[in-house]
Amino acid sequence: AQTVTQSQPEMSVQEAETVTLSCTYDTSENNYYLFWYKQPPSRQMILVIRQEAYKQQNATENRFSVNFQKAAKSFSLKISDSQLGDTAMYFCAFMKHVPGGSEKLVFGKGTKLTVNP
Amino acid sequence: KAGVTQTPRYLIKTRGQQVTLSCSPISGHRSVSWYQQTPGQGLQFLFEYFSETQRNKGNFPGRFSGRQFSNSRSEMNVSTLELGDSALYLCASSRGWGLYGYTFGSGTRLTVV
Repeated sequence: AQTVTQSQPEMSVQEAETVTLSCTYDTSENNYYLFWYKQPPSRQMILVIRQEAYKQQNATENRFSVNFQKAAKSFSLKISDSQLGDTAMYFCAFMKHVPGGSEKLVFGKGTKLTVNP
Repeated sequence: KAGVTQTPRYLIKTRGQQVTLSCSPISGHRSVSWYQQTPGQGLQFLFEYFSETQRNKGNFPGRFSGRQFSNSRSEMNVSTLELGDSALYLCASSRGWGLYGYTFGSGTRLTVV
């Protein structure tokens, strides 16, 4: 079974600064997908960024980028130019690739990020 | 375009009762998944439906069940409620197999007293 570990329960950062959230995972699969989701107080989980395991290039979405280290099974999220609206719980998630089928998301316990003015 | 809609947003039930939660996916999305979120256990997968068929099921007791209708709307039912069923229940939809990520609703907060 796959497991996802987020070792930082809480983090804080000053507005406009950069912060990195850590995530490690354990799997014997070779083909899989990794995600970072954000959950603000409104409760809705919002997809931040997605990475395909077979792609070596790190994914980037505006101020959000990842550092994907497949051999180390590490998938960290970097938020640049932090904004107050980035305050939320951040969840790292793993999904294995099943050809022609579907798989569930396996989530970490989350990191509570607070952006201070 | 409308997002994933879950109703109701809040629900209070008594132990032993049953409850039905509803989820309307994004138009065109045929896959609907359900997750339970609690402070202790985090986010746990309940089940996933695609074109009215359950494709995947998590490790939950048989009191938890679901179904999907021809218009892709989904319901989940919990019978004989226990205090430990108090949680945020999140629904997520995707077009196919979720490879590009799921779109989540805002959840139903269920409190069992």
